[in-house]
Amino acid sequence: KQEVTQIPAALSVPEGENLVLNCSFTDSAIYNLQWFRQDPGKGLTSLLLIQSSQREQTSGRLNASLDKSSGRSTLYIAASQPGDSATYLCAVYGDTGTASKLTFGTGTRLQVTL
Amino acid sequence: NAGVTQTPKFQVLKTGQSMTLQCAQDMNHNSMYWYRQDPGMGLRLIYYSASEGTTDKGEVPNGYNVSRLNKREFSLRLESAAPSQTSVYFCASSPGQGYSGNTIYFGEGSWLTVV
Repeated sequence: KQEVTQIPAALSVPEGENLVLNCSFTDSAIYNLQWFRQDPGKGLTSLLLIQSSQREQTSGRLNASLDKSSGRSTLYIAASQPGDSATYLCAVYGDTGTASKLTFGTGTRLQVTL
Repeated sequence: NAGVTQTPKFQVLKTGQSMTLQCAQDMNHNSMYWYRQDPGMGLRLIYYSASEGTTDKGEVPNGYNVSRLNKREFSLRLESAAPSQTSVYFCASSPGQGYSGNTIYFGEGSWLTVV
């Protein structure tokens, strides 16, 4: 059974810092990995999707990397801003099966302070 | 664009009562999903619909039923609510038939408390 772990569970950084969020998964037979952002009381917004054949994806100040063989992904946020404060979740989609194979981590709650 | 719209946003039920959560998407997506989110558990799939007219069980289907009314709408019904069903429920949709690795779009959630 696929398990997705995100460490740390919570992180507080001062504005302007670069930071890395970690995601690990136990079954490397994945089709893709997605990073989501969730604001309090809101739904999830997709940030980046990395296909299994890709090593990384970039969008603005965000860069996500994927190392399938080691079961790890990182989300790098450059020059953090207070508006980046949210919970960040990763989810992996298994190589076979159905939508039930989209497995979520429990998230990292990020606070960027002034 | 509205995207994925869920109603109601908040609901309190007594044990044994029934209710239906409504979901509609305006992106012409084929696939729709219902998830629940509980502290420390992550999001777990309840049911999904890979296309209009089809529904399948996810990871935690017990105590729920679904209806894919048409391409736009996917409802989730609790027939006899239990305190264990207290949770935040999210509807989502994605293009394509079944989840094929496309971006998935979420509604803003429905907070359900069963007392």
